[in-house]
Amino acid sequence: DVKVTQSSRYLVKRTGEKVFLECVQDMDHENMFWYRQDPGLGLRLIYFSYDVKMKEKGDIPEGYSVSREKKERFSLILESASTNQTSMYLCASSPTGTGYGNYGYTFGSGTRLTVV
Amino acid sequence: GEDVEQSLFLSVREGDSSVINCTYTDSSSTYLYWYKQEPGAGLQLLTYIFSNMDMKQDQRLTVLLNKKDKHLSLRIADTQTGDSAIYFCAESLTDSWGKLQFGAGTQVVVTP
Repeated sequence: DVKVTQSSRYLVKRTGEKVFLECVQDMDHENMFWYRQDPGLGLRLIYFSYDVKMKEKGDIPEGYSVSREKKERFSLILESASTNQTSMYLCASSPTGTGYGNYGYTFGSGTRLTVV
Repeated sequence: GEDVEQSLFLSVREGDSSVINCTYTDSSSTYLYWYKQEPGAGLQLLTYIFSNMDMKQDQRLTVLLNKKDKHLSLRIADTQTGDSAIYFCAESLTDSWGKLQFGAGTQVVVTP
């Protein structure tokens, strides 16, 4: 069964800590995405990557960075965690190009991050 | 950018039909999607429709697409308590290499 795996379901970190959220996919997808999900705001795109070592800012990149050294792994980094980064973080992947129909995005289970 | 719009909440009785509506933005979208998110979980692809179709049926799910009005709907027949979830619609953006634009999600609560 194809899968997107996020390394942690729940994380509690202190303000100012550097936080790494890891995501691994086993589908050989070119594209990978990081979203945050907050009640009433839906999914907001933080960063995405369409190839190894390539990254593009999404709608809310401030306070975050990403790393994609290998095709299967996309990491989200909070350089100095703040309480307003408490959220659910979702990773997704997809094959490249339009017209991929029943593939769409495959999501991980999410990481609920609490910054105290 | 422009938003994909959905109503935020829907309450439905068990056994009734649910209809979730969505208005999208890109008239050239190739595919439109419905995702389901159960509590504490990621999003799961529920169904999709290709833009040259106006209806797709898959067991209890019926997707209707009105391209003229850029309106998408998801009908769930015989709604069950296990259908309680957040439902997101999404469109594929033609000016990108496969990026999806999501709505804010509709919380569906099924009552006995």
